[in-house]
Amino acid sequence: EAGVTQSPTHLIKTRGQQVTLRCSPISGHTSVYWYQQALGLGLQFLLWYDEGEERNRGNFPPRFSGRQFPNYSSELNVNALELEDSALYLCASSRPGTNTGELFFGEGSRLTVL
Amino acid sequence: DAKTTQPPSMDCAEGRAANLPCNHSTISGNEYVYWYRQIHSQGPQYIIHGLKNNETNEMASLIITEDRKSSTLILAHATLRDTAVYYCIVSSRDNNDMRFGAGTRLTVKP
Repeated sequence: EAGVTQSPTHLIKTRGQQVTLRCSPISGHTSVYWYQQALGLGLQFLLWYDEGEERNRGNFPPRFSGRQFPNYSSELNVNALELEDSALYLCASSRPGTNTGELFFGEGSRLTVL
Repeated sequence: DAKTTQPPSMDCAEGRAANLPCNHSTISGNEYVYWYRQIHSQGPQYIIHGLKNNETNEMASLIITEDRKSSTLILAHATLRDTAVYYCIVSSRDNNDMRFGAGTRLTVKP
């Protein structure tokens, strides 16, 4: 069974640019979560999607947005990039039905903003 | 804005039990305690979770106090591969608000 896959694995952008990160959940999983992890820090919750709907959002500005597609894959968009957006962006998925809290994480997309 | 407090770091000798504490004094009745770990440069890995009762699986044991205000994750026989950052999370199944704190950096030493 393939795990959660994220792309790209690494990317470099400059201030003011826009970036789109992609996540494919484990087959059969319907929920997708996005987290930001700046260097040396803990994970900061960004977004939770379930069945195509945004269910919860962390304390991030509106320039962080995303969506979930009918096949349950997801995109995270960050507009007007700032230097402090440099981080590892992690995607996780979970099974449908009762939320179990068991999240399966991908290896992340490492974004560097210059 | 995590709801848990953990020591920033701990050491453990290889082969000995590692006991990682977590305080969650504001936990609500419908909130579960979850534990994850993150090995350097990898995505976090689910370990175990519980509500009231103690739990055990192939990875670890979870001991939750009777008042549910704190818990302890126990790795019975720590190995060098258990060196990681361990996160304790409190969340309800209603909002699945899985918010990670700073965690405890466990170093298992030979």
